[in-house]
Amino acid sequence: NAGVTQTPKFQVLKTGQSMTLQCAQDMNHEYMSWYRQDPGMGLRLIHYSVGAGITDQGEVPNGYNVSRSTTEDFPLRLLSAAPSQTSVYFCASSQSGALSYEQYFGPGTRLTVT
Amino acid sequence: AQRVTQPEKLLSVFKGAPVELKCNYSYSGSPELFWYVQYSRQRLQLLLRHISRESIKGFTADLNKGETSFHLKKPFAQEEDSAMYYCALSGHSGAGSYQLTFGKGTKLSVIP
Repeated sequence: NAGVTQTPKFQVLKTGQSMTLQCAQDMNHEYMSWYRQDPGMGLRLIHYSVGAGITDQGEVPNGYNVSRSTTEDFPLRLLSAAPSQTSVYFCASSQSGALSYEQYFGPGTRLTVT
Repeated sequence: AQRVTQPEKLLSVFKGAPVELKCNYSYSGSPELFWYVQYSRQRLQLLLRHISRESIKGFTADLNKGETSFHLKKPFAQEEDSAMYYCALSGHSGAGSYQLTFGKGTKLSVIP
């Protein structure tokens, strides 16, 4: 199993550009989520999905869109990139959205918006 | 709302010394608590969860509901313990599912 994969690893965008960060998992996990990691801020939840066709907002959803058309994939779309979205983005998945399940993280995408 | 507080951004200890990484939480229900670790150039991974009451790599953590704490402890630090440690709480989001809320993290540096 590849686990959770993310592409690209690095990306530089200009303000106003749009792009999609890809996330895929091959563990047949129901629950998937996106976090951003900023220095001194820890990880903050952007969006999550409890199954195909079901998504919801996390703590910092503004400026981001998600969809979940398949169990395996959970792309994150930046609609109009802003410098405040410069961050490291992590995708994660778990067997269930229930309380005690371990989350498996991808390697991250480092995004710079100029 | 659920909140996790890690009061120390950086903790430096000498090899062989005891380690305690502090974590306090705020949650109205019964939380599930975790410690995640991120070693240099590696992805974030689960270290331990309170429900398992296990010891991983010599680390333990006890949930103290009275003090709303879940401190991570190890009696003798090793150089390979140097990493970023995140305390996390899984709680009901109010929308029928659960969310994992992370603290801001503590960077542990073990001095040889």
